[in-house]
Amino acid sequence: DIVMTQSPDSLAVSLGERATINCKSSQSVLHSSNNRNYLAWYQQKPGQPPKLLIYWASTRESGVPDRFSGSGSGTDFTLTITSLQAEDVAVYYCHQYYSSPLTFGQGTRLEIK
Amino acid sequence: QITLKESGPTLVNPTQTLTLTCSFSGFSVTTSGVGVGWIRQPPGKALEWLALIYWDDDKRYSPSLKSRLTITKDTSKNQVVLTMTNMDPVDTATYYCAHRTQQRLVFGYWGQGTLVTVSS
Repeated sequence: DIVMTQSPDSLAVSLGERATINCKSSQSVLHSSNNRNYLAWYQQKPGQPPKLLIYWASTRESGVPDRFSGSGSGTDFTLTITSLQAEDVAVYYCHQYYSSPLTFGQGTRLEIK
Repeated sequence: QITLKESGPTLVNPTQTLTLTCSFSGFSVTTSGVGVGWIRQPPGKALEWLALIYWDDDKRYSPSLKSRLTITKDTSKNQVVLTMTNMDPVDTATYYCAHRTQQRLVFGYWGQGTLVTVSS
């Protein structure tokens, strides 16, 4: 199984500042046949299902604000939220879909400082 | 507009079999490339993928739970059903169903989830 490890477990950032969440996979999720990273990011607010933010490591889902961006390749990935808004308070999960079983990170809780 | 909704018992006894139904609209599970998956989340914990079924009846299971899971689809009712045998208190979780395609391979649409408590 590919283990996904996120850091930090929790993060407090001031409104308008940048938030950075890291995700490391236990093996590469870069597919050589198409040069795509099989890595997604989800946002989950209390009492709600996860919401897809980013897929293929850096492709923003339709309707997601452009303050959310994804980067990285191979085993190391980052979700960046520039200019944090109050509505961005949530738990964020990375997810690999390179191989079965599909796996998720443990989550990073983002709060306002 | 794609929507999904989970239904099933909120309380099950240990050792019983859980049957959950995902009813959906806005897509057909007979369309090439379309799939529906199940993911669960224990209270306060992370997401765990359980099973996936595709338009062509290709089925995938989490290896750690494979012996206990069965996923099926009813194309006439636009439903996907997950059964999990021998339920245990550690299986207490919110169970989500979600839409996936073989093109994007991510869960782009999710149901609201249903909380299942396992207790005697």
